[in-house]
Amino acid sequence: EAAVTQSPRNKVTVTGGNVTLSCRQTNSHNYMYWYRQDTGHGLRLIHYSYGAGNLQIGDVPDGYKATRTTQEDFFLLLELASPSQTSLYFCASSDPWVNTGQLYFGEGSKLTVL
Amino acid sequence: GQQVQQSPASLVLQEGENAELQCNFSTSLNSMQWFYQRPEGSLVSLFYNPSGTKQSGRLTSTTVIKERRSSLHISSSQITDSGTYLCAMEEDNYAQGLTFGLGTRVSVFP
Repeated sequence: EAAVTQSPRNKVTVTGGNVTLSCRQTNSHNYMYWYRQDTGHGLRLIHYSYGAGNLQIGDVPDGYKATRTTQEDFFLLLELASPSQTSLYFCASSDPWVNTGQLYFGEGSKLTVL
Repeated sequence: GQQVQQSPASLVLQEGENAELQCNFSTSLNSMQWFYQRPEGSLVSLFYNPSGTKQSGRLTSTTVIKERRSSLHISSSQITDSGTYLCAMEEDNYAQGLTFGLGTRVSVFP
């Protein structure tokens, strides 16, 4: 069973604050993703990566940076957090050469920006 | 507009009833997946189903790519089936992530 671990699980910050969400997967998947989930919009892709050092822009990248430091670790950075970034964030991993493209999600990180 | 349409938006079932959830896509797709979101928010992969029919316990997924639709059948529903069911499509260009529907919220009562 693929394992994807996110931290922190809950975070409260103020407008203008600096937030880093962390994600680690332990199944040697090449692809990792960051999604946000909001009522009325469903899950939307922020950034994704094909491997260490690689970064691709998703559908809603504004206000977010990401970095893939190793095959296992993918970080999402909010350098000047705004209330519009209050959301439930999910990290996911997959690899078509390992598991036929099935997506495995972490437990989610709830971010509140006051 | 929304590329993935799920219906119904919500569903109330009495324990033991069957249910059919629908997912329709407006663009061509490579494959699709079904997920279950627990009431507290965590996501569980149910099916990776490029085409045809797959069954897992009381759940059955059927995907017809050329008709751009997929369905999830829940048989003999249980209270623990309550939650939100999401479908997501993978477009032709794999690994650019999935496009998700808004989900069907299922509530099962005794």
